[in-house]
Amino acid sequence: NAGVTQTPKFQVLKTGQSMTLQCAQDMNHNSMYWYRQDPGMGLRLIYYSASEGTTDKGEVPNGYNVSRLNKREFSLRLESAAPSQTSVYFCASSEDRASPLHFGNGTRLTVT
Amino acid sequence: KQEVTQIPAALSVPEGENLVLNCSFTDSAIYNLQWFRQDPGKGLTSLLLIQSSQREQTSGRLNASLDKSSGRSTLYIAASQPGDSATYLCAVHNDMRFGAGTRLTVKP
Repeated sequence: NAGVTQTPKFQVLKTGQSMTLQCAQDMNHNSMYWYRQDPGMGLRLIYYSASEGTTDKGEVPNGYNVSRLNKREFSLRLESAAPSQTSVYFCASSEDRASPLHFGNGTRLTVT
Repeated sequence: KQEVTQIPAALSVPEGENLVLNCSFTDSAIYNLQWFRQDPGKGLTSLLLIQSSQREQTSGRLNASLDKSSGRSTLYIAASQPGDSATYLCAVHNDMRFGAGTRLTVKP
């Protein structure tokens, strides 16, 4: 039972490059989320998808785009990476917003 | 806008001590509150989810309480062990916001 799977685990980008972080869940959850975690700041919500076909902005959406490809997959795209986007990115899923969150193991991104 | 605060940011205790971690939130219109553990360089492991209609939830040596009216939750850890050393985070389920966490060190 894989739960929430994120790829890649590590990534180094140069400023201005683009990339897509992938997330897939096998729990048939409706809701999926992208967070970033910076030292001393906890997790901040970037975007979420309450259900297949919908996406909404979180606290810190600037510089990111998302796609809910199907019920299983929710991707996060950085169109033009900036050093301020150096962070650890976590994907999570839940049945709905009242249900327990389940997290992936994270992607450590460095932008130079 | 929901604000979630965890104080203290760091806590060091000797093994065997009972301890309380605090989580406060500004908007009491929450669905639920969830406590997590995070080991260094790792992902988040769910410890307890306490529903908005509950006052307490227990799992082993852990007990979480919730007081919506005062905007507070506590995580009580009994008989702490070195293996409990980690960062503990709380998340409120409406805005899905997290506190910054409390880094706990339990010394042998």
